[in-house]
Amino acid sequence: QVQLVESGGGVVQPGGSLRLSCAASGFTFSSYGMHWVRQAPGKGLEWVAFIRYDGSNKYYADSVKGRFTISRDNSKNTLYLQMNSLRAEDTAVYYCAKTQYGDYPRYWGQGTLVTVSS
Amino acid sequence: QSVLTQPPSASGTPGQRVTISCSGSSSNIGSNYVYWYQQLPGTAPKLLIYRNNQRPSGVPDRFSGSKSGTSASLAISGLRSEDEADYYCAAWDDSLSGRWVFGGGTKLTVL
Repeated sequence: QVQLVESGGGVVQPGGSLRLSCAASGFTFSSYGMHWVRQAPGKGLEWVAFIRYDGSNKYYADSVKGRFTISRDNSKNTLYLQMNSLRAEDTAVYYCAKTQYGDYPRYWGQGTLVTVSS
Repeated sequence: QSVLTQPPSASGTPGQRVTISCSGSSSNIGSNYVYWYQQLPGTAPKLLIYRNNQRPSGVPDRFSGSKSGTSASLAISGLRSEDEADYYCAAWDDSLSGRWVFGGGTKLTVL
């Protein structure tokens, strides 16, 4: 069965950096696009970024463009989110999600909490 | 301010039918599929409806989706206490360089 396990969250100061990872198993990782979606405490879902199965195309929300970079290592079945110049408003649980045909988020991990605070 | 607009709350009694609306524009709902997610308290979101009205295996047929123009709806019939959750609509948006957009979410309370 599909398993997605996020890691790398924690507390970071404003302006700092963090790299999230999402370890995938139970499916052919290199065949599917992947998303990052976040949820601020007590708030709704906000899409962050998407990467195609081969890394050829990447899309970002305006709120993170130029600061966050999505990437993947298909040899390691792992998705990444490099987050730079972090702001207080980036505080959220970050979920990775596997797509299904049509690129929509189909299966979700349990999330990892990122807190940006001094 | 979310690109897709949902009512912040909805409610119903057990056995009732409730609907949750999702309003968008020509660049998202008007030209792309709509997806619905259920998020139970303290858990990750779960896909409920894909491609406007398709249910993944395991999702009860009490849940149904529809789309008309730039709006979509999620209907839940035979409401049960375990349906109490947050519900989100989502769609691809063709504007700018392309992006996925979510509704602000609707908290469903089973009275």
